[in-house]
Amino acid sequence: DIQMTQSPSAMSASVGDRVTITCRASQGISNYLAWFQQKPGKVPKRLISATSSLQSGVPSRFSGSGSGTEFTLTISGLQPEDFATYYCLQHNSYPVTFGPGTKVDLK
Amino acid sequence: EVQLVESGGGLVQPGGSLRLSCSASGFTFRDHYMDWVRQAPGKGLEWVSSMTGSGEVTFYADSVKGRFTISRDNSRNTLFLEMNSLRAEDTAVYYCAKYSGYGSRSYPFDYWGQGTLVTVSS
Repeated sequence: DIQMTQSPSAMSASVGDRVTITCRASQGISNYLAWFQQKPGKVPKRLISATSSLQSGVPSRFSGSGSGTEFTLTISGLQPEDFATYYCLQHNSYPVTFGPGTKVDLK
Repeated sequence: EVQLVESGGGLVQPGGSLRLSCSASGFTFRDHYMDWVRQAPGKGLEWVSSMTGSGEVTFYADSVKGRFTISRDNSRNTLFLEMNSLRAEDTAVYYCAKYSGYGSRSYPFDYWGQGTLVTVSS
């Protein structure tokens, strides 16, 4: 099974900050990596698919990059509505696996 | 508008069974992979099971293999999860989720249901 790790597990940031979250796979997953945002009590929302393809309606301050085993989600200019938990997901092979999440809260 | 509506959750004793349903609308249901994803209280997301659009191929997490069965009725646009031999650690909100794209170019999960809570406790 492919294990996914995320770093950091939690972070404090301010509005306007550039935030980078890293996701690492235990083996190569090509570009089969997605990012999700989840706010407390809400349903997860897909931000990015296929490593870097922005979901329709998602602000352009969100971007994804990477390949193979290392991937990043970048938020360029954090907004108040971006404070949430972010999960990566690999779907290169079954079982599909989520990362443990990165909680971004207000500094 | 795509809608996914889960039902069937509730309180069940350890060892018991439950059947979840996910009613889909707003897209051609039979064309898309569908999955179940769960989230235990205060925990992260855990993939549970996946089914191809035709229903011919299924996949399961090791944690539920042999106890849970995914199925779908494409004539009724409904996805199911039959859960047997339930354990306390199966307590979670269960979401159904849709893939975007088709066949080998399918990408998880562009739409999610609102979730249904399953509580396994005596």
